[in-house]
Amino acid sequence: EAQVTQNPRYLITVTGKKLTVTCSQNMNHEYMSWYRQDPGLGLRQIYYSMNVEVTDKGDVPEGYKVSRKEKRNFPLILESPSPNQTSLYFCASSADRAIRELFFGEGSRLTVL
Amino acid sequence: DAKTTQPPSMDCAEGRAANLPCNHSTISGNEYVYWYRQIHSQGPQYIIHGLKNNETNEMASLIITEDRKSSTLILPHATLRDTAVYYCIVQAFSGSARQLTFGSGTQLTVLP
Repeated sequence: EAQVTQNPRYLITVTGKKLTVTCSQNMNHEYMSWYRQDPGLGLRQIYYSMNVEVTDKGDVPEGYKVSRKEKRNFPLILESPSPNQTSLYFCASSADRAIRELFFGEGSRLTVL
Repeated sequence: DAKTTQPPSMDCAEGRAANLPCNHSTISGNEYVYWYRQIHSQGPQYIIHGLKNNETNEMASLIITEDRKSSTLILPHATLRDTAVYYCIVQAFSGSARQLTFGSGTQLTVLP
């Protein structure tokens, strides 16, 4: 089954404790992206990747890092999480760089205390 | 400035057609209209997209006006599971596209 898989789905952590949210897609997609969703602010892009070893900042990249060492994986790294990073996170992928159809993961709800 | 304008909420009776409008009066000739939906904090789901011709798939129909300044997404027989936020997005096909930009969408509630 074609899918985008995120882990963990739910996480409660404390300020400053490094964490990684993994994202994996099994569709051989070139394009991958991370969004965060907050009430009243909608979906905002954090980082995106056009292909392996090619990443770039989205609209809200501060406090986040990403890597794209393999085509299927695009982890989101919070080196020193803060409470303002409490959010619902979505990973998405698309077959090509034109982003004609985005496939989203189920989401990761992160709470930073 | 927002590229699209959608009503914040709509209701529809179960079994009836749901018609969701979207205004995009500043759309450019090379921009497509996309529709996605998000069911209660799940990941958004692609529905359909089109350029100027009407489009239909197993989920919905997309009607784009001749001047392309507005469009309507039609769910022909709405069910309770169609209750979701529906996003209308205008975006050009481009090899250098960064993202699809989601607005606030329309909350569709299908009533029993």
